[in-house]
This record gives sequence, C-alpha cells and structure tokens, in this order.
Amino acid sequence: DQQVKQNSPSLSVQEGRISILNCDYTNSMFDYFLWYKKYPAEGPTFLISISSIKDKNEDGRFTVFLNKSAKHLSLHIVPSQPGDSAVYFCAASALRNAGNMLTFGGGTRLMVKP
Amino acid sequence: DGGITQSPKYLFRKEGQNVTLSCEQNLNHDAMYWYRQDPGQGLRLIYYSQIVNDFQKGDIAEGYSVSREKKESFPLTVTSAQKNPTAFYLCASSFQGLAGGNTGELFFGEGSRLTVL
Repeated sequence: DQQVKQNSPSLSVQEGRISILNCDYTNSMFDYFLWYKKYPAEGPTFLISISSIKDKNEDGRFTVFLNKSAKHLSLHIVPSQPGDSAVYFCAASALRNAGNMLTFGGGTRLMVKP
Repeated sequence: DGGITQSPKYLFRKEGQNVTLSCEQNLNHDAMYWYRQDPGQGLRLIYYSQIVNDFQKGDIAEGYSVSREKKESFPLTVTSAQKNPTAFYLCASSFQGLAGGNTGELFFGEGSRLTVL
C-alpha cells in the first residue's frame, strides 16, 4: 500500500510557463514533506521542504503548498526552464516517530520544452 | 569536501553470488539509509541505521544484509536470496531531527547500478 503517491508519471511544460507537480499521502502521522530532483544515473538532490505547521514554503522559483485536510501537496516551478527537466520525487516523514526516514512517491518526470 | 560516496558505480554479478556495495560519508551524520530504485518506480527503503551498531529493516529488506560498525560506513550486501537484485541502489545519510537548523533532508550518494547476468 503506497503511503505517498504521485499520480502523474510525466508532465510536459513549455519553457517560461508554470510546472505543477502533485503528491498525495495517506499516513496522517507524516509531519514533514520534501521534494527531490533526480537526473538519470545520479542520486536525488534536495529541492525544498515544508513542515506540517505551514501551508506554504517558497525558495526562488520553487514553491511547495501543503493542504493537510486533503493530504495533498504540490510543487510549483515558475518560470520553468529546460534545466528543470528531471524526475521529481515527493517524500514524507513522521519526524516525531521515525526520525528522518523518508517514504517516497513514485516520481514525476518533468520535461520542459524550449 | 564533505559528501557521501558509493562504490562501485557499476557492478555485474552472476546469479548465486553475493555482492557488497560500499557507502561512506564524512558529513558526521548519525543516520544512514539504503534505497532501491527500479525503472519507473520510486525509491523503496531497504535498511536504515540511526546509530552505530544498530540498524532496522525497511520495506524490502528480504535478501539484503547490512552492518554499521563505524559511523561513517554502511555497506549493503545483496545476497543470492534476493530474487530480483538488478536495480539502482542509493545510499543516503542525515542528521537526526530538525535541531540546529537541519532541514531534515537526506543527502544521497551517486548510486550503484547492479546488474545480474
């Protein structure tokens, strides 16, 4: 049973437009959420995180929104650039119970067209 | 430079052989993790260790073994009991909790691709 789901396996966006990547979770114990970016044959790199006490966190072109009642979070990238093309993983942890152990979604492949 | 190093980057194994993947970190992190990625799938947790000489099974520990004799090292052995070992293996490390400005992120190595022939 997947506790973290990314229902869109791929997304294609024009350069300069907004990219919106979605993530849903089922475990109400999750209290910390992260987004990672991954290029082929490389390890994931951290992008942005959000604690459950917030509903929005912004870092440059990247903004993460958290809707706890819907158990849903999203990553917005504005404006999208060709270098953003990668696989994006949503991850969640229950810090109070399990330290930093992360549960990952299946990933969404973002393709930004020039 | 501080970081996390995995070796080898590519490894080929015959069926029935055990192989060990190395993971070393010099970030002074307490916790270390092993994840597996299969094509088109997310990362699944194999084993994790929050402190030296202690480790816990993740979601898919069957056919794998680990040790944590040193804080810096967390090797993963893929045994012959693992039915589908061909995959991309990722090691990660982190501080514990969010104290001291820690963002809670895991730092990943570059990965090791294991292929069983």
